[in-house]
Amino acid sequence: KAGVTQTPRYLIKTRGQQVTLSCSPISGHRSVSWYQQTPGQGLQFLFEYFSETQRNKGNFPGRFSGRQFSNSRSEMNVSTLELGDSALYLCASSLVWDYRAYEQYFGPGTRLTVT
Amino acid sequence: TQLLEQSPQFLSIQEGENLTVYCNSSSVFSSLQWYRQEPGEGPVLLVTVVTGGEVKKLKRLTFQFGDARKDSSLHITAAQPGDTGLYLCAGSSSGTYKYIFGTGTRLKVLA
Repeated sequence: KAGVTQTPRYLIKTRGQQVTLSCSPISGHRSVSWYQQTPGQGLQFLFEYFSETQRNKGNFPGRFSGRQFSNSRSEMNVSTLELGDSALYLCASSLVWDYRAYEQYFGPGTRLTVT
Repeated sequence: TQLLEQSPQFLSIQEGENLTVYCNSSSVFSSLQWYRQEPGEGPVLLVTVVTGGEVKKLKRLTFQFGDARKDSSLHITAAQPGDTGLYLCAGSSSGTYKYIFGTGTRLKVLA
């Protein structure tokens, strides 16, 4: 079974631009979560989607948005990029969201550099 | 705000030594997970613990969830170079649909 795929793997953007990152979950998985990982702040939760509905959102500004499609694929968008948005963006998928038996599989991430 | 503090932040040990990594919070979690992340890759789930006082073993790794479900520990026996990586704990509360990740412990095992 193929794992979680994220595209692109690497991206360089300029301040003020916007970017869209894509995540394809493991086949059959309906929950997709996004995280931002930086050396200073560690791994921080962005949002979680299940069946096209956002069920929770982290403490990030409105410039960060996401969506999930009917095939469970997900995208996240960052508008008006700032230097501080440089990070590794990770996507994780799971079959269902049950905190007692939650198995979350991460993709390799998209490394975003903002110059 | 729920926070998870891990200690130590960095650990460099010789092959064959034992070590313990701690994950502490002032908040109660419904479940807690441990992950290992290697450079250029996403975190890989090692274990999930859900009951206070629960102990789980995975080969040379032993995980414990605190009785009050506010803390956890990861003990590695006879560390090997292949154990090198970033270890992350993550906690969740029921109904929140999100995991809060710890600050991370970077482990290096020297041959």
